[in-house]
Amino acid sequence: QPVLTQSSSASASLGSSVKLTCTLTSGHSSYIIAWHQQQPGKAPRYLMNLEGSGSYNKGSGVPDRFSGSRSGADRYLTISNLQSEDEADYYCETWDTNTRVFGGGTKLTVL
Amino acid sequence: EVQLLESGGGLVQPGGSLRLSCAASGFTFSNYGMSWVRQAPGKGLEWVSGVTGNGGSTYYTDSVKGRFTISRDNSKNTLYLQMNSLRAEDTAVYYCAKLIPATGTAYWGQGTLVTVSS
Repeated sequence: QPVLTQSSSASASLGSSVKLTCTLTSGHSSYIIAWHQQQPGKAPRYLMNLEGSGSYNKGSGVPDRFSGSRSGADRYLTISNLQSEDEADYYCETWDTNTRVFGGGTKLTVL
Repeated sequence: EVQLLESGGGLVQPGGSLRLSCAASGFTFSNYGMSWVRQAPGKGLEWVSGVTGNGGSTYYTDSVKGRFTISRDNSKNTLYLQMNSLRAEDTAVYYCAKLIPATGTAYWGQGTLVTVSS
């Protein structure tokens, strides 16, 4: 069963860029993951899926400022030109035959 | 537009039961797997259970096996989660979610709060 590891927190200044990391366990480095955003007090929102090749497909209405990439077992979510509404918790997700797994989440603070 | 509307949450005593419902609209319900995901107060997301589009296969996280049952009624476009022998640690907001193959959890409901307390 895959496990996803995320840093608990990150911060960046308004208008800057930030790169969040989600790391897959060894042996699962080719897995597809999904990124989700959860703003305070709201339900999660799907942002994109990120394939093992590094290509990504964003959900409807997700701004161009959001992009994905990968390096080995690491999957990245990059947010450019940070806005105040980007302050949120970000979760990665993956799945296997009989289970789904979420990372612990990264709390992003926009300074 | 995809819409997922959960209901059935509330306050229940330890050992009690509750049934959650999720009314789906905006897509062909029977074509998609569905999941329940929960979030305890101040904590992260935890997958609870999943079911295939035809209801033929169901999956559970270890902590709820034998206590929770996921099901669906494709004629009513509704997903269910029957929760028995509830424990304090089951207290959480429960989200209904639509799955898309090779995409993940593509749509989320607004959630329903389950509180297990005496």
